[in-house]
Amino acid sequence: QSALTQPPSASGSPGQSVTISCTGTSSDVGGYNYVSWYQQHPGKAPKLMIYEVNKRPSGVPDRFSGSKSGSTASLTVSGLQAEDEADYYCSSYADSNKLLFGGGTKLTVL
Amino acid sequence: QVQLVESGGGLVKPGGSLRLSCAASGFTFTDHYMSWVRQAPGKGLEWISYISSSSSPIYYADSVKGRFTVSRDNAKRSLYLQMNSLRAEDTAVYYCTREDYYYASGRWGQGTLVTVSS
Repeated sequence: QSALTQPPSASGSPGQSVTISCTGTSSDVGGYNYVSWYQQHPGKAPKLMIYEVNKRPSGVPDRFSGSKSGSTASLTVSGLQAEDEADYYCSSYADSNKLLFGGGTKLTVL
Repeated sequence: QVQLVESGGGLVKPGGSLRLSCAASGFTFTDHYMSWVRQAPGKGLEWISYISSSSSPIYYADSVKGRFTVSRDNAKRSLYLQMNSLRAEDTAVYYCTREDYYYASGRWGQGTLVTVSS
């Protein structure tokens, strides 16, 4: 299976909203509601931001939200803040007990 | 507090072997599936394997199947990754993770760097 497809970069000004897409197939994103999103700051371990498409772990601000339509999942960051600047990765369960990650999106806060 | 501490990384020659360990603390180890995820320098994340709380089932990515073996010792609260027949493309930071939800890693270790080079 190939990695999920994410745009390499995204940007927005403080206070704005930005949406990052994650495109897969019917064998992964489209077939299961097990899409997660991770935030990774430089030199740090990833942090889980969204699981099961649209659920937030305790402590994650509600500015972060997830959704899915067909084989494309999306992460929306509302009210952008400087500390949101990071790399974001999506992941999805895939057929035959695999887990796929996207290539990552670098989010820049202008 | 919850801690995952990886160890065992280092420099190894192509074709060589290495065993990574992950020491878990601050939570009930047997309540969780565990995973290994790696990240090549400057690249994205790649799932390697996950192991159930009872050590069965275990699943692997195609890129490492047959070369890597995951195991856990619940009494020692430890997770392991035995890596054989290492290749240059296995060079990466290897993270130990705790599955907090279905197919979602809620806790990550700090990672350990494995470099495969002659």
